[in-house]
Amino acid sequence: RKEVEQDPGPFNVPEGATVAFNCTYSNSASQSFFWYRQDCRKEPKLLMSVYSSGNEDGRFTAQLNRASQYISLLIRDSKLSDSATYLCVVANNAGNMLTFGGGTRLMVKP
Amino acid sequence: ETGVTQSPTHLIKTRGQQVTLRCSSQSGHNTVSWYQQALGQGPQFIFQYYREEENGRGNFPPRFSGLQFPNYSSELNVNALELDDSALYLCASSSPGWGTEAFFGQGTRLTVV
Repeated sequence: RKEVEQDPGPFNVPEGATVAFNCTYSNSASQSFFWYRQDCRKEPKLLMSVYSSGNEDGRFTAQLNRASQYISLLIRDSKLSDSATYLCVVANNAGNMLTFGGGTRLMVKP
Repeated sequence: ETGVTQSPTHLIKTRGQQVTLRCSSQSGHNTVSWYQQALGQGPQFIFQYYREEENGRGNFPPRFSGLQFPNYSSELNVNALELDDSALYLCASSSPGWGTEAFFGQGTRLTVV
């Protein structure tokens, strides 16, 4: 079983749609959680950290459920520029290693 | 721009050869991590360097080795290249502290033929 699992997609959605991505992780001792965004042939960039209380940044909302070892990302009012691969990332409890999921590809269409 | 620079951007090597990839970390960051990203997959952790010492290693064989220099720049060396080593190699720098953001360079795309 992979340490961090994501549905690879692709998710094809129209502009303005709401889309949700899910991710599960296997190490219950994990302490830090993130969503990164990666555009085609570019490096990953931090989208947002994920906290147990949930957090929101504009159209993006991230949630963490430690009991179920589950992380989610919700994107509201999708834009064409949101088209990218979204990587679910878990840091180990030493904080020195990031484990990435395989990524979920999103394509927003006009 | 993250301030993390990698060189070269692209490289083609023959199976069995050796390669050295370079990374300059962002100013103020003394921690550098290396990741391998195969096509269609997420990045996989190779190792991390903190203050010139290896500070964690992923599931990669010993032919993957590294260095960090006093200015915190870093090198990744791969010996006896195999076809499966073809991938995007990403360097990430971060400041000390737990859970701090990692800033990635643009990567080196290595092709082994």
